[in-house]
Amino acid sequence: DVKVTQSSRYLVKRTGEKVFLECVQDMDHENMFWYRQDPGLGLRLIYFSYDVKMKEKGDIPEGYSVSREKKERFSLILESASTNQTSMYLCASSYDRATHGYTFGSGTRLTVV
Amino acid sequence: RKEVEQDPGPFNVPEGATVAFNCTYSNSASQSFFWYRQDCRKEPKLLMSVYSSGNEDGRFTAQLNRASQYISLLIRDSKLSDSATYLCVVLMDSNYQLIWGAGTKLIIKP
Repeated sequence: DVKVTQSSRYLVKRTGEKVFLECVQDMDHENMFWYRQDPGLGLRLIYFSYDVKMKEKGDIPEGYSVSREKKERFSLILESASTNQTSMYLCASSYDRATHGYTFGSGTRLTVV
Repeated sequence: RKEVEQDPGPFNVPEGATVAFNCTYSNSASQSFFWYRQDCRKEPKLLMSVYSSGNEDGRFTAQLNRASQYISLLIRDSKLSDSATYLCVVLMDSNYQLIWGAGTKLIIKP
């Protein structure tokens, strides 16, 4: 089974801190995604990547950046954390762009105080 | 109007009952449709794809109505373990983006 591992399950950071969320997948998938999930809003795409060193903005990229230096690792960076970035962050990977087979990590619940 | 809309619930249903969820989507160019299941404080997991002719997987049946732009999920003989949030997902062929509904919460009671 594909495994997607997110480095932290729970994280508490202060406003203004730079925050790194790490995601690693072990099945050589080219496609990786970062979502945030908030009550009543569904999953919203922040950034995605279809290849190493490649990144594209999703629906809500403001306040975030990403890094994909290696195929298996996709990092989400909050340049200066703010309280409205308190959320559940979910990383996913998939075999091809049109697939339904997204595999998610277990999520990182980030609280910014 | 949201691109993918679901009744948030919760649906409180007795064990053994049949329950149905609907999901509407706004973009008629949407081509692929899915149901995901998400347990409390867990990540979403694919439950089933939705095919044009309708499809069944055990107690679960998915239907697609393109004319009315809605998708349905039917769960028969519901079990306590079916309690979860069910997410409707639409794939946009134009850019291969997944659009997610906010989910319908289902609670099965003994």
